[in-house]
Amino acid sequence: GIQVEQSPPDLILQEGANSTLRCNFSDSVNNLQWFHQNPWGQLINLFYIPSGTKQNGRLSATTVATERYSLLYISSSQTTDSGVYFCAVPLSYNTDKLIFGTGTRLQVFP
Amino acid sequence: EPEVTQTPSHQVTQMGQEVILRCVPISNHLYFYWYRQILGQKVEFLVSFYNNEISEKSEIFDDQFSVERPDGSNFTLKIRSTKLEDSAMYFCASSDETGVRFTQYFGPGTRLTVL
Repeated sequence: GIQVEQSPPDLILQEGANSTLRCNFSDSVNNLQWFHQNPWGQLINLFYIPSGTKQNGRLSATTVATERYSLLYISSSQTTDSGVYFCAVPLSYNTDKLIFGTGTRLQVFP
Repeated sequence: EPEVTQTPSHQVTQMGQEVILRCVPISNHLYFYWYRQILGQKVEFLVSFYNNEISEKSEIFDDQFSVERPDGSNFTLKIRSTKLEDSAMYFCASSDETGVRFTQYFGPGTRLTVL
């Protein structure tokens, strides 16, 4: 099945810094979602981005489907951005079953 | 903005007991899912549900698990006889059937602790 790898596994930032998180997947996809898991364990939808670029406030995401990767950009990071960031893709074209990546744990310090 | 809700937020139970985790999907959605996340691990797919039946399930979803849509708004996950290894965060998700069918909207999760 499809493999989803994220990098870096851990990231420590000072408030105000920018960061780029990467999601690599091993096969073509028709869907990709980014999530933020906050310190209380809640999963928060960030982006649905099978291709192209989207922006939402300080966050933006770009998926280059032909090269099988997606990037999540966080600008001017805040302590509330701390948590784990996951990307997820469907196992295959004919299933809704999402396969989650390994996650990037982000810690933002004041 | 509509959202998926889940109750309870935290459930503690004794091994061998039955638990029911509840979810209210987004109202016009037709596809429903359960995922789980054991502490420190990845989120894993459990089951998908459409038109009042299971459309897909993982190897984790054995006979101890069942899902139901008892009415027009709730979607439940039942674990018949809980084991210690069922301790995890359980997430419900839903999606619609339009062009963004595969956007799955996740609830905040229920943390299940089995003692």
